[in-house]
Amino acid sequence: GAVVSQHPSWVICKSGTSVKIECRSLDFQATTMFWYRQFPKQSLMLMATSNEGSKATYEQGVEKDKFLINHASLTLSTLTVTSAHPEDSSFYICSASRGSGRRSYEQYFGPGTRLTVT
Amino acid sequence: QKEVEQNSGPLSVPEGAIASLNCTYSDRGSQSFFWYRQYSGKSPELIMFIYSNGDKEDGRFTAQLNKASQYVSLLIRDSQPSDSATYLCAVLSGGYNKLIFGAGTRLAVHP
Repeated sequence: GAVVSQHPSWVICKSGTSVKIECRSLDFQATTMFWYRQFPKQSLMLMATSNEGSKATYEQGVEKDKFLINHASLTLSTLTVTSAHPEDSSFYICSASRGSGRRSYEQYFGPGTRLTVT
Repeated sequence: QKEVEQNSGPLSVPEGAIASLNCTYSDRGSQSFFWYRQYSGKSPELIMFIYSNGDKEDGRFTAQLNKASQYVSLLIRDSQPSDSATYLCAVLSGGYNKLIFGAGTRLAVHP
């Protein structure tokens, strides 16, 4: 159990266009989903936290108007990179947490989406 | 001071040896600690979590936590070449439902 999928696994887009990335929990209901970004040889940086039906909470320095997050259901969250630029090229990873109490803090990661903006 | 610190490595160990990975954290209020393994180009995979002081064993992996010293470690016994990866230490931010990741330690197990 605890499988998280992402789509697409990789995408190349032109500068100025928008890209949508989907994150789905396949065999559990995710109370919370998280979006991370990882640049080469660096660690994961949390971008935002989203709960189903609520507005996402963005980390300091992350532009909420540029990175739109929608958490429409307990199994689906989407990240839209608007007006993408080459500096947005990165590995975007979502994770989902489930359960209650302490186990609600265990995060299960999707396979990631590699975005390249040309 | 970074919130979660790890030696970047690489840590090189021979096959069959014990690999010891260390992590320190700054938030004394942290209660939950996680180790993730990340292969190159892949997303992290949860290996172990630990909440209480002391040791927690799962197969070849042992997590050790010392809250007084703000230190958590991961031991990998009988290391295999397939264990070669980057190991990320993550600490649940005290009072918030989010993980703070260290930069990771790259482990190389050579035959």
